[in-house]
Amino acid sequence: GAGVSQSPSNKVTEKGKDVELRCDPISGHTALYWYRQSLGQGLEFLIYFQGNSAPDKSGLPSDRFSAERTGGSVSTLTIQRTQQEDSAVYLCASSLPGRDIQYFGAGTRLSVL
Amino acid sequence: KNQVEQSPQSLIILEGKNCTLQCNYTVSPFSNLRWYKQDTGRGPVSLTIMTFSENTKSNGRYTATLDADTKQSSLHITASQLSDSASYICVVSARAGNNRKLIWGLGTSLAVNP
Repeated sequence: GAGVSQSPSNKVTEKGKDVELRCDPISGHTALYWYRQSLGQGLEFLIYFQGNSAPDKSGLPSDRFSAERTGGSVSTLTIQRTQQEDSAVYLCASSLPGRDIQYFGAGTRLSVL
Repeated sequence: KNQVEQSPQSLIILEGKNCTLQCNYTVSPFSNLRWYKQDTGRGPVSLTIMTFSENTKSNGRYTATLDADTKQSSLHITASQLSDSASYICVVSARAGNNRKLIWGLGTSLAVNP
């Protein structure tokens, strides 16, 4: 596709369950970012992948959160033992190497009941 | 502490009117400043990106200004349209060597009414 694709678009889960969110970046974009946006709040940086470099995980809020990027393309954000405060929109963005403009997906709206 | 503050928090204007959104930052070392537009339920979309040496940059009806001395930026929207209703987010990039950090503002929520 032409843009950043995220799936699922909506996810409802029960407290304590694990969830996986997927991001397909734009082809050729070596940088990939995950953000979290709670209702009415600004974007909260979670993790940043750049090529083969070690990811910047400084934004991950707890060890329940992890992310992988396989083959330098698709990324999966995993939240283990979900809590109600994890409810938010999780946004993925990608960018070309050396460029600062990020292209965002539509996000995954996670609701933890 | 690196911070980006935006004002006003929200704004309501009538269609056809102009408006200006403000962004003040304390980010060092400064690399660039971006304005994004985020429609409800969508991801942010880049409007402009400005480096230290740029004072003004336009994108259609959107004009961004940057004063690196006072660390202020503004986004001016001319002849507003209903489709301009969105959240406008200021993002400042701090870069030191190979390390880069993006500092996101909380955004200004703009509503354009008919």
